Amino acid sequence: DVVMTQSPLSLPVTLGQPASISCRSSQSLVSGDGNTYLNWFQQRPGQSPRRLIYKVSNRDSGVPDRFSGSGSGTDFTLKISRVEAEDVGVYYCMQGTHWPWTFGQGTKVEIK
Amino acid sequence: QVQLVQSGAEVKKPGTSVKVSCTASGYTFNFYYMHWVRQAPGQGLEWMGRINPNSGDTNYAPKFQGRVTMTRDTSISTAYMELSRLTSDDTAVFYCARDGETNDMDYWGQGTLVTVSS
Repeated sequence: DVVMTQSPLSLPVTLGQPASISCRSSQSLVSGDGNTYLNWFQQRPGQSPRRLIYKVSNRDSGVPDRFSGSGSGTDFTLKISRVEAEDVGVYYCMQGTHWPWTFGQGTKVEIK
Repeated sequence: QVQLVQSGAEVKKPGTSVKVSCTASGYTFNFYYMHWVRQAPGQGLEWMGRINPNSGDTNYAPKFQGRVTMTRDTSISTAYMELSRLTSDDTAVFYCARDGETNDMDYWGQGTLVTVSS
C-alpha cells in the first residue's frame, strides 16, 4: 500500500497567521492517465470529513480561497494563508492513484 | 442538495456482524460509486472499499477483504456495508461517502458509531 506521511502531526497557529501542512507519498501519485489524485480533507471537531482540495490544487465549491494546495510527484502541501477560528480541526491528505486508496495520519490544527 | 443519511449507532458482541445503511438523496444514486471509510476513536481515516450502485461491482481494501460485504438496493437509493467477525478493534465510526469523480469522495454521511463489546 502507498504510505502517506503528513507533517507536522500537530500545528498550533496564531489567528491570522499562515499554516502549512506537508504530505509525502511512498510512491509517485502520477496516474497512468496523467492526473495526480491527491486530495485534502478537513474534519472539524465532531463532524464528518469534508473535501477541500482535489487533484492537488483544485478547491471545492464554497472552500475559502485562503486554502491552497500544491505539489507534484510525491511531495504535496496544503497552505492556509491566514488561519481563522473555524479552521480548527484535523486535516488529511488522501491518494486515489493506487489501490487501495490511503490517507495520511492527519494533522491537528489548533489555535495558540 | 446531496444528502447521505446513515443508520443509527450499534452495539455488537465480538464475533458477530454489523450492517450499516446509507440512504442517498438529491442525486441519481446509480450514477456514483459509494465508498465506506472507517475511523477508530481518536484515530485517522481508513478506506474500506467501494460499490458501483449500477452494477453492484465492488472493490475492497485488502485489509477488509473476506470480512466486508458492500451491497445496494437501488429501489430505495440505499447502500449497505456489512462487517463480520467483529473484534474490539472494529469499534469505530463508519462513514459512507459519495464518489467525487476525481478518485476521492465529495459528500459524506454523518457517520455510524459501532461499538464492539462483550
